[in-house]
Amino acid sequence: GAVVSQHPSRVICKSGTSVKIECRSLDFQATTMFWYRQFPKQSLMLMATSNEGSKATYEQGVEKDKFLINHASLTLSTLTVTSAHPEDSSFYICSAVGLRGLLDQETQYFGPGTRLLVL
Amino acid sequence: QKEVEQNSGPLSVPEGAIASLNCTYSDRGSQSFFWYRQYSGKSPELIMSIYSNGDKEDGRFTAQLNKASQYVSLLIRDSQPSDSATYLCAAIREYGGSQGNLIFGKGTKLSVKP
Repeated sequence: GAVVSQHPSRVICKSGTSVKIECRSLDFQATTMFWYRQFPKQSLMLMATSNEGSKATYEQGVEKDKFLINHASLTLSTLTVTSAHPEDSSFYICSAVGLRGLLDQETQYFGPGTRLLVL
Repeated sequence: QKEVEQNSGPLSVPEGAIASLNCTYSDRGSQSFFWYRQYSGKSPELIMSIYSNGDKEDGRFTAQLNKASQYVSLLIRDSQPSDSATYLCAAIREYGGSQGNLIFGKGTKLSVKP
């Protein structure tokens, strides 16, 4: 159980375009989803916390107008990188925390990640 | 002071040996700790969680928590080449902004030599 998927797994786009990444919890309902970014040989950096039906909470230094997050249901959150630039090229990973009583409330289960390359 | 600190390694052990990975944290209020394994180019996968002082065993893995000393460790017995990966220690932040979020260390790279 506790499977999280991401789509697409890999995307290449031109500078200035927007890219949408989906994160789905497949076998549980997620109260909260998190979006991380990881540059090569660096640690995971939390970008934002997404709660179903409410606005995302962004970490300091993360532009909320550039990284749009929508958490429309208990199983789906999307991250849209708007007007992507080469410096946005990175490994984007989502994670999800399960509903109270169904899963450990604090353990985050990670999706497989999306590798974004902006040319 | 970084919130979660790990030695970046690489830590190299021979196959069959015990690998010992250590982590310290600064938030004295943290109650929940996690070890994740991350293979190169892949996302983290959960190995274990630990909430209470002492040891917690799961197969070849043993997590140890000492809240007084603010350290967490992970022991891997009978290490296998397939255990070669980066091991991430994480703690739930209890205070300040983003309370409740998971704070990761930079990870320790483990290499198990056949």
